[in-house]
Amino acid sequence: EAGVAQSPRYKIIEKRQSVAFWCNPISGHATLYWYQQILGQGPKLLIQFQNNGVVDDSQLPKDRFSAERLKGVDSTLKIQPAKLEDSAVYLCASSLAIWRTVEAFFGQGTRLTVV
Amino acid sequence: GQQLNQSPQSMFIQEGEDVSMNCTSSSIFNTWLWYKQDPGEGPVLLIALYKAGELTSNGRLTAQFGITRKDSFLNISASIPSDVGIYFCAGASNAGKSTFGDGTTLTVKP
Repeated sequence: EAGVAQSPRYKIIEKRQSVAFWCNPISGHATLYWYQQILGQGPKLLIQFQNNGVVDDSQLPKDRFSAERLKGVDSTLKIQPAKLEDSAVYLCASSLAIWRTVEAFFGQGTRLTVV
Repeated sequence: GQQLNQSPQSMFIQEGEDVSMNCTSSSIFNTWLWYKQDPGEGPVLLIALYKAGELTSNGRLTAQFGITRKDSFLNISASIPSDVGIYFCAGASNAGKSTFGDGTTLTVKP
């Protein structure tokens, strides 16, 4: 079974630029999560999708971050414009269903450096 | 928001020693999870706990769901070099949202 795929693995941008990350969840997984993991901290949930609908985006900085999952499969997370404090690893995870979060599988993440 | 306090922040142990780490919260959780993260990888689930008082093992790993539902601990017995990594606890609600601690970094000296 293929795992959660994320790209790119690494990205370096200047502050005020835009960046987008892509995630392809495990086939058949209805729930998709985006987490931000700052160095030395645990992952923090940014947004949670159930199919193509947003379940929880309470911790997403909506003035600069946006995410979509138009067809209920792949998802993109965008930052526009980026700030220095956005430097982090962005992890995507998926699970079969919202009540099966314990079976969420994580991708390898995208390491973003904002200079 | 909900916060998890994970301790210790780091541990340096000799191969063969046992390890114990814990996680406490001011909030009640329905599920406690323990993950391991290797450098450059995403977290991998080690153990999931579903009931207060539950004690669950996975090989050399044992975890318990605290009676108050506000804490959990993880023990690793007879540590080996490949146990090196960052261990995260996470509390999960019925809505599927997980809150993570800031991790315990484990170093095992051969």
